[in-house]
Formats: sequence, structure tokens, C-alpha cells
Amino acid sequence: EVQLVESGGGLVQPGGSLRLSCAASGFTVSSNYMSWVRQAPGKGLEWVSVIYSGGSTYYADSVKGRFTISRHNSKNTLYLQMNSLRAEDTAVYYCARDRSGRTRGGVYYYYGMDVWGQGTTVTVSS
Amino acid sequence: EIVMTQSPATLSVSPGERATLSCRASQSVSSNLAWYQQKPGQAPRLLIYGASTRATGIPARFSGSGSGTEFTLTISSLQSEDFAVYYCQQYNNWPLMYTFGQGTKLEIK
Repeated sequence: EVQLVESGGGLVQPGGSLRLSCAASGFTVSSNYMSWVRQAPGKGLEWVSVIYSGGSTYYADSVKGRFTISRHNSKNTLYLQMNSLRAEDTAVYYCARDRSGRTRGGVYYYYGMDVWGQGTTVTVSS
Repeated sequence: EIVMTQSPATLSVSPGERATLSCRASQSVSSNLAWYQQKPGQAPRLLIYGASTRATGIPARFSGSGSGTEFTLTISSLQSEDFAVYYCQQYNNWPLMYTFGQGTKLEIK
């Protein structure tokens, strides 16, 4: 069964750090694009970061310089290291398999985020 | 930055009727548009990608259309399990950006 399970959320003070994990089963993290998406309480969805199968990483402007996405291939796990946390980072964080890519001819395509974890809650508060 | 605007914010429809949800992009996103369904306390679920292709396991009553800046999600005959919040999302490869709309809440009339 294809599945993602997040962990690592919790309560942290402003300026603190937290590392989220996303363990995958049924497919290989390193062979896919993987994204983090967050949802503040009562709000909509916000894309946070993506790591390509080749290792390139990209971030939303709101987290650039503070968050780092990475993966551990042998553990088949995705991570999100969050530093200098702010109150506005409070959200449920989801990891998702990202079906974007590029053909051999250089054409970009997007097939959506088709597998999602259940989410882990991060609360930034003093 | 591409802004995605969904309308209406809330849509009240009776079971068995058709629901039509709209999503507009501030600039062309070609067909790089996905739709998701989210129920309370659950993760989003991919319904449509490429503006009009149903994801695996999605019932045929869900259909997507549009390209460029105007997109529509249609649910042909609403079932009780379809009442949820729906989000559209665009993908742009340069600069890399994924942007969600603010969502449409589909509620029982």
C-alpha cells in the first residue's frame, strides 16, 4: 500500500526549531518529487517546499532561508527542518508525492499531488 | 506571482443536483491545474490533474474543464460524501510556484 506518515510536530517557542519526518511505504521517495504543504488553522492550503528526484530543492518565499527540505534514501523518509519559527508558521504540515516533472524533450508537466500523509501539527507559541 | 481565485466561496446544493465550481488564474497556467477535495480533519485528495484528467479511483461524476485562466470543476450528481471543501492549484515551473485557490465550501442545501 502506498502511504505517507508524518511525525515530529509539536509546540515550540518563537525562534525555535523543529524537524518533521515523513516516512513513505509502497514507493521510493528518492525516485519521486516530494512536497510539503501546510494549512494554518481554519485557512487554506499553502505549498512550502519541494525536493526533486535529482536532489534540487525549492521553497516558498515565506520560508526561504529558514526551512530545509531533505531526504534519507535508505530510510525512504522525507524531512523538513524548520528554524527561526514564527507564530505564522503554526499549521498542519502535510507531505505529499508530487507528480510534476519534465519530459526528455524538456516539457514540464504537472499531474498533481497524488499521495498525502495525515498531517502533523506545528504550534509556534510562547 | 500567480493568484488563483475560486468562486463562489460557499455553494449550497441539494443531493442529486449538479455543482459547478470555478477557478480563475491571474495569468495563464496552460493546463497545469489540479483540483483537490478536503473533508474536515482529513488530508486533501487529488481529484483532477491536467485540468481535465481524473485521478485514479475518482468517480466519473467529477469532471474538470478549462485551460489558460478559466477552469471549472463539475460534480454531475452530488452524493452525500461530496460535501467538502474544494481547492484548485496551479503549477508553474519558472519561477517554480505552486499556488492554491482559497477554496470553495460545498454544503448541503
